Amino acid sequence: GAGVSQTPSNKVTEKGKYVELRCDPISGHTALYWYRQSLGQGPEFLIYFQGTGAADDSGLPNDRFFAVRPEGSVSTLKIQRTERGDSAVYLCASSSGGEAQYFGPGTRLLVL
Amino acid sequence: AQSVAQPEDQVNVAEGNPLTVKCTYSVSGNPYLFWYVQYPNRGLQFLLKYITGDNLVKGSYGFEAEFNKSQTSFHLKKPSALVSDSALYFCAVRVITDKLIFGTGTRLQVFP
Repeated sequence: GAGVSQTPSNKVTEKGKYVELRCDPISGHTALYWYRQSLGQGPEFLIYFQGTGAADDSGLPNDRFFAVRPEGSVSTLKIQRTERGDSAVYLCASSSGGEAQYFGPGTRLLVL
Repeated sequence: AQSVAQPEDQVNVAEGNPLTVKCTYSVSGNPYLFWYVQYPNRGLQFLLKYITGDNLVKGSYGFEAEFNKSQTSFHLKKPSALVSDSALYFCAVRVITDKLIFGTGTRLQVFP
């Protein structure tokens, strides 16, 4: 595909449940980023992968959040024991060589 | 602390008139600056970037931005606004770990 894709586009879950959000970056992009955007706010950084390793995970809010990128391409953001405050749009972006980051359409997560 | 400020929540402009969306930044070292646009229920689209070189940067859809080091600003401009330019605009700065720090966004409304 030409752009970054994210699935699902929408996810509704109940408080306390576990969710996985998937990101498929632009082919060949070695860097992958996750951001979270709450209503009326700008995106906030969560984690950055360079290849398979997390180069910076300083934005993960707590240990309920975890992300992997086992083969250096697709990434999964995992949230355990979801809370209502986790409701937001989760954005994934990829880049090549330190240039602009290109964003996917996002996953809208609603925790009831 | 490194940050980006967008002082206007909303900018209103008549179609055909020039538009400016303001952004100021605070970073240590040389800034890498970006503008993104977000349409309803869609991800962020890259408009333009400043890395180095000419202070006037040209981007997509006729937008340009002027980097001003002394005023630590990176205002987005367009000579003639279109109704279709109505959207949410985000300024961002890339910090040393490659993550982006975003402003809170400015809603641009172009009236026919």
